[in-house]
Amino acid sequence: QKEVEQDPGPLSVPEGAIVSLNCTYSNSAFQYFMWYRQYSRKGPELLMYTYSSGNKEDGRFTAQVDKSSKYISLFIRDSQPSDSATYLCAMPGGANNLFFGTGTRLTVIP
Amino acid sequence: DAGVIQSPRHEVTEMGQEVTLRCKPISGHDYLFWYRQTMMRGLELLIYFNNNVPIDDSGMPEDRFSAKMPNASFSTLKIQPSEPRDSAVYFCASSLAWGLAGVDTQYFGPGTRLTVL
Repeated sequence: QKEVEQDPGPLSVPEGAIVSLNCTYSNSAFQYFMWYRQYSRKGPELLMYTYSSGNKEDGRFTAQVDKSSKYISLFIRDSQPSDSATYLCAMPGGANNLFFGTGTRLTVIP
Repeated sequence: DAGVIQSPRHEVTEMGQEVTLRCKPISGHDYLFWYRQTMMRGLELLIYFNNNVPIDDSGMPEDRFSAKMPNASFSTLKIQPSEPRDSAVYFCASSLAWGLAGVDTQYFGPGTRLTVL
């Protein structure tokens, strides 16, 4: 079983839709939960991260963690064509590694 | 700052050839990471350095892979001999700090797209 599982999509939504991106993980010791965004032909960039359970909001983006279910989500409100990218969840495990999901490719159609 | 710089951006080579990928981290960052990204396996950490010293190379797939960091501003990832299954995008990233005690942002370069024929 992989440490982090993520539905690869692809996911296509119309502009203005609410997008929900999700990951599950297996290691209950994970404390930090990160979302990276990767545009085509670019490297990933950190979008936001949360510590432990709960929600964190940043503009149109909300990260949600449910540690009891080992489930994390990223919500995008009022999605824009510029949000079209691959979104990767990631979790630091131990002192040496950052476990990434395989990424979900999102396309927002104007 | 120019960010993390990688070269070349694209590399096409034939099986058995030696491939060298290069990375210049962001000035002042103490940590440097090499990742490989494929459709099937996603992003995988290959090796990381702290203050130019390799700390964990457990992600390096085989002895054909080697990485060096001769100084704070330069690192190489070498594959010798290369094989078709090495085809992937290789990313270099750097950060100020790392470890469970404090999560810090990793800044990724644009990647090198390697194709081994």
